[in-house]
Amino acid sequence: NAGVTQTPKFQVLKTGQSMTLQCAQDMNHEYMSWYRQDPGMGLRLIHYSVGAGITDQGEVPNGYNVSRSTTEDFPLRLLSAAPSQTSVYFCASSPDRDRGYEQYFGPGTRLTVT
Amino acid sequence: AQSVAQPEDQVNVAEGNPLTVKCTYSVSGNPYLFWYVQYPNRGLQFLLKYITGDNLVKGSYGFEAEFNKSQTSFHLKKPSALVSDSALYFCAARGNQGGKLIFGQGTELSVKP
Repeated sequence: NAGVTQTPKFQVLKTGQSMTLQCAQDMNHEYMSWYRQDPGMGLRLIHYSVGAGITDQGEVPNGYNVSRSTTEDFPLRLLSAAPSQTSVYFCASSPDRDRGYEQYFGPGTRLTVT
Repeated sequence: AQSVAQPEDQVNVAEGNPLTVKCTYSVSGNPYLFWYVQYPNRGLQFLLKYITGDNLVKGSYGFEAEFNKSQTSFHLKKPSALVSDSALYFCAARGNQGGKLIFGQGTELSVKP
């Protein structure tokens, strides 16, 4: 199993540009989520999905969109990049959200917005 | 509001000494508690979790954690630290009645030879 994969590893955007961060998992997990990691703030949940066709907002959803057309893929779209979105983004998956399963994290995408 | 606190930004330990990384939580219902480790430029790796049962939980790489319900704490421990344990450690919690997984802000562990 490749686990959770993310592309790209690094990205530099100009303010106002849009892009999609890709996330895929091959473990047939129902639950997938996106986090951003900023120094001193831990991980903050952006969006999550409990299964194909179902998505919901986390604590910092503004400026981001997601979709879940398949179990495997959960892309994160930045609509109009802003410097405040400079961060490291992690995708994670888990068999189930509501029971005590741990999450499996991807390697991250380091995004800089200038 | 649900929250997780890691009161120390950094913990410094000499190799061979015991280490403790502290975590306290506030969630609705009974807690599900997790510890993750992050090495530089890597994603988070799962170390251990408490769901129910024995208050002392053993995990990967010789780490263990003790669940204390009265103090709402879930401190991470290791009897003898290694230089290779140096990393960023995150505590996370959620209630068993639903809700999102909440992460602490992280504790940087530095183990010196």
